[in-house]
Formats: sequence, structure tokens, C-alpha cells
Amino acid sequence: DAGVIQSPRHEVTEMGQEVTLRCKPISGHDYLFWYRQTMMRGLELLIYFNNNVPIDDSGMPEDRFSAKMPNASFSTLKIQPSEPRDSAVYFCASGRDTNTEAFFGQGTRLTVV
Amino acid sequence: EDQVTQSPEALRLQEGESSSLNCSYTVSGLRGLFWYRQDPGKGPEFLFTLYSAGEEKEKERLKATLTKKESFLHITAPKPEDSATYLCAVQGGAQKLVFGQGTRLTINP
Repeated sequence: DAGVIQSPRHEVTEMGQEVTLRCKPISGHDYLFWYRQTMMRGLELLIYFNNNVPIDDSGMPEDRFSAKMPNASFSTLKIQPSEPRDSAVYFCASGRDTNTEAFFGQGTRLTVV
Repeated sequence: EDQVTQSPEALRLQEGESSSLNCSYTVSGLRGLFWYRQDPGKGPEFLFTLYSAGEEKEKERLKATLTKKESFLHITAPKPEDSATYLCAVQGGAQKLVFGQGTRLTINP
């Protein structure tokens, strides 16, 4: 298996633009997680899905952030409009359950200027 | 609120010099404590899950232990390739993982 695949690896955008991050989880994993990592706040859970249904989005910082999972093999995290404070590394992870190991992708490094 | 504190923030060791990393936690109803390794520019890589106090797990030069308040990651005779950031996370009743800030470990040859 190729593991969790995220795209793009790097994204530089201007403030106010829409940004879409993409994730393909490992086949057979029922759970998908979106995390954000910064130096100040570390690794934070934004939202997670079970069987394509959003379960907990309490970590989504603002209404500018939205996530979808239209099918078992694809998810998106969208930021509209983007702001400089959104600059971070965004990770997608998938797992078979919430209390077993999650497998992380390589991350998308987002820079908003 | 579930909380995780890792210490030290950074640790430099000589190759072969054994040491331990600490993860202190407060959680409502522990479902699991997780250790991950993260290399620069990469996503966290799973190492261990511990579910109850007294449990221990080993993998190569690493051994993780768990008490009711903290976990230790013991590294025995480390090699330069063990250099990485080690992350601890807990899962409580809310089912989501709460991560610590990590310990940045550097092993000098």
C-alpha cells in the first residue's frame, strides 16, 4: 500500500485566496483525521470522519475552514478565505479505529503571504 | 480537558548514551497512550500504543512504559539514526488524540 497520500506537498498563496488540500487515505481504513502542526501549538486535531461522516469538528478554528469526504478514498480540507495565520503544516491520517494507530501522510506545508 | 506535557523539550546524547523521555498526562478515562516518531519534513510515524498502567512495549532500542500519570520512552544505546522528534499523545473519553509538544532528540556520533 502506498500509505496516506496528500497533495500538494507545498502551497504558497496570497491572503484572501481559497486553498484546497487533498487526501487519499489507506484503503480499508474507516477513520480519517485532519491535523494542523505549528511550532507554537504543536499537532492539533481539526476534524475526523468515520465511514465518510464527520464525527467531531470541534477543532476547526473558524468558519473559514471546511472539510468534506465524498467517498472512502478522498477527502478535502478547504480554507476560504486564507489568512497568514493559517500558515502551518496540515496532515491527514487514517486508521481502522480511533484507539489504534493512525497512519500519517507526508503533510502539506501551507504558506499564506 | 485532556493535557499532555513532554520533557525535556530537547535532548542531546552521545551515541551509546542511554536516557529516557517523559510524557506526563491528565485525561478523563484513558483509552490509550501513543508514541510517535517524527523526522523533519515528514509525518509522524507510529511506534507504540499502551492501554493500561504497568504495560510495557519494546521495539529495537526503544521501550515504552506506562503509569497512571506518565509514560516513559527509554532509549538504550542510541544510534545517530534515532535522532528525531518523539511525540506522545493520549486518547480519553472524547476519543480524539491530544498530542504533546514533543521532545527533539539528537544523537551525536
